[in-house]
This record gives sequence, C-alpha cells and structure tokens, in this order.
Amino acid sequence: GAGVSQSPRYKVAKRGQDVALRCDPISGHVSLFWYQQALGQGPEFLTYFQNEAQLDKSGLPSDRFFAERPEGSVSTLKIQRTQQEDSAVYLCASRRGGGETQYFGPGTRLLVL
Amino acid sequence: SQQGEEDPQALSIQEGENATMNCSYKTSINNLQWYRQNSGRGLVHLILIRSNEREKHSGRLRVTLDTSKKSSSLLITASRAADTASYFCATDLYGGSQGNLIFGKGTKLSVKP
Repeated sequence: GAGVSQSPRYKVAKRGQDVALRCDPISGHVSLFWYQQALGQGPEFLTYFQNEAQLDKSGLPSDRFFAERPEGSVSTLKIQRTQQEDSAVYLCASRRGGGETQYFGPGTRLLVL
Repeated sequence: SQQGEEDPQALSIQEGENATMNCSYKTSINNLQWYRQNSGRGLVHLILIRSNEREKHSGRLRVTLDTSKKSSSLLITASRAADTASYFCATDLYGGSQGNLIFGKGTKLSVKP
C-alpha cells in the first residue's frame, strides 16, 4: 500500500514569507507526528496528533509554527514569517492505533533565504 | 533536546566487513528503535527492541539492549555498498501509548565496494 507522502518535496521561501507543508499519512493510521531535522542532526519532535486532536505540541519552537489535522487524516504544518533558522527538513510520520513503529515520509526540505 | 548519542559519528568499512554502531540514552525507556536514512530521503524503520529484551535479530541485523547501562548496539553483518546510509537510534518512553520518538544524532556509515 501507499506510504506516507509529503508535499512539496522542496520549498524555497524568502524570509518573512508564510509556508504550508502537507502530510498524507498511511490510510487508517491514527497517530501523526511532525519532526524537524537540521543538517547533520537527528530528527527533533515538533508535534503529535491522535486523530484530529493535537495531544502534544511541546516541540514547536515558536508561536510561528502551527499544525492542524482537522479531519484526522491529512495534516498541514504552517510556518509564519519564516526565518533563516527554520531551514531544515520537515518529516512527517504516522503510526497505526496501538502500534509502536512510526512510518516516515520523504520529508520536505525547506530553505529560507 | 536529543536523548540518544550514537557512536561513532562516522564509520567507513569495506564491503563484507561487519559494522557496529552504539547508542547511549539517558532516561528509562519502553523500547528502542533503529532507523536508516539514505541521503536526502526519509527514515526507514529497521528494528525495535523492547526494554525487557536483550537481543534481537532481523536478517543481517543484530541489536542488543543493556538497560542497566542505558545503551544499545546495532551490528550489520557482511555489509554491502547499499548499506551506506546514516543510522539513528530512537527511544520511545511510552511504548506507543503516547507520542514522540527521541532520536540521536546518528552514525554515518560508508561501505566501500
């Protein structure tokens, strides 16, 4: 079956621009996660959804970051007024209910100039 | 913040040799997982070991877990050029009942043909 997909794969933004990153999880997966991966580092947790409920947003670095999953399926990560330090790969993962394994998408590489 | 620390940061071996990567973590865990990431790609789940397990095998992969030392190792036997990638350990504090994985910084493995 289809895996986790993310779009766009690459995004170049000017500093101050708003961006929206999309994640399509594996069909039927209850949990959805967003991670940020800086160059040469491991992924760092941003936020977690169970169905449409955002249960943990402790990893969001500032109030410029906002995530939603209104119908419990597709999720969007929005970054307002992008800064150069937001440049990173943004990874989405999904997990079935009761599962332990997270399945990752290919990521969106964001470059803020 | 990142809980896991992989060692070494980089490893270069010849095809056919074994590769061993180590991971140390700081807090009690429910399980520990190893992921592989090819350059520019998302993460691929390799193997999961629970806190009450000491060793697990999957094909050419062997993982050990020592909860008293808060450490794990990943052994790849008879390495192939296609094993060239970054390898990350990730700890799950809650066993899938809640949220995120906490990743280390990774080991960059290069297998020369």
